[in-house]
Amino acid sequence: AQSVTQPDIHITVSEGASLELRCNYSYGATPYLFWYVQSPGQGLQLLLKYFSGDTLVQGIKGFEAEFKRSQSSFNLRKPSVHWSDAAEYFCAVGAQAAGNKLTFGGGTRVLVKP
Amino acid sequence: EPEVTQTPSHQVTQMGQEVILRCVPISNHLYFYWYRQILGQKVEFLVSFYNNEISEKSEIFDDQFSVERPDGSNFTLKIRSTKLEDSAMYFCASREGVADEQFFGPGTRLTVL
Repeated sequence: AQSVTQPDIHITVSEGASLELRCNYSYGATPYLFWYVQSPGQGLQLLLKYFSGDTLVQGIKGFEAEFKRSQSSFNLRKPSVHWSDAAEYFCAVGAQAAGNKLTFGGGTRVLVKP
Repeated sequence: EPEVTQTPSHQVTQMGQEVILRCVPISNHLYFYWYRQILGQKVEFLVSFYNNEISEKSEIFDDQFSVERPDGSNFTLKIRSTKLEDSAMYFCASREGVADEQFFGPGTRLTVL
């Protein structure tokens, strides 16, 4: 069974500082990996995805993530955080199969200090 | 840019009533999903739908739940007899092909009193 762990429930970061959100997954084969962002009262917006190939993937809003198979991790990073990045971030794993349901982590809420 | 839409944005119902949540997936997408997020908890998979049939469902998706694609554009989730614990945000998602990402709608907040 697939599972995702996001060890940090809350992270507070100063505006302009770097941000790294951790994600560890469990899946028996090569997974599809995703990061979604959810602003208050909003739906889920895809930041980036990893299907195959280059293990460093670039996304929208200046985010990037690195797939490390040996560590079963897919950590999200941003070099310089903006106040508008305050939101909840979800890591998800999907099966490479027709159904391809997503299994989400518990989320990390990011607060940005001015 | 095409997007998934959901109606209503908020639904309040009495326990035991039937509710239908509606979604319009992106027009050329073939795979459809429902997820839910109970307040303060993680997003959970409910059901996936492809080629007019359920392809996978979770343990949550019991006999009280059903999905339907009544025409070429809508995708609905019906809860036959709502319970208090069905209160949650329900998200619809769709994707074009097997190796594509899922696009999520803005969600319907269901409140069961």
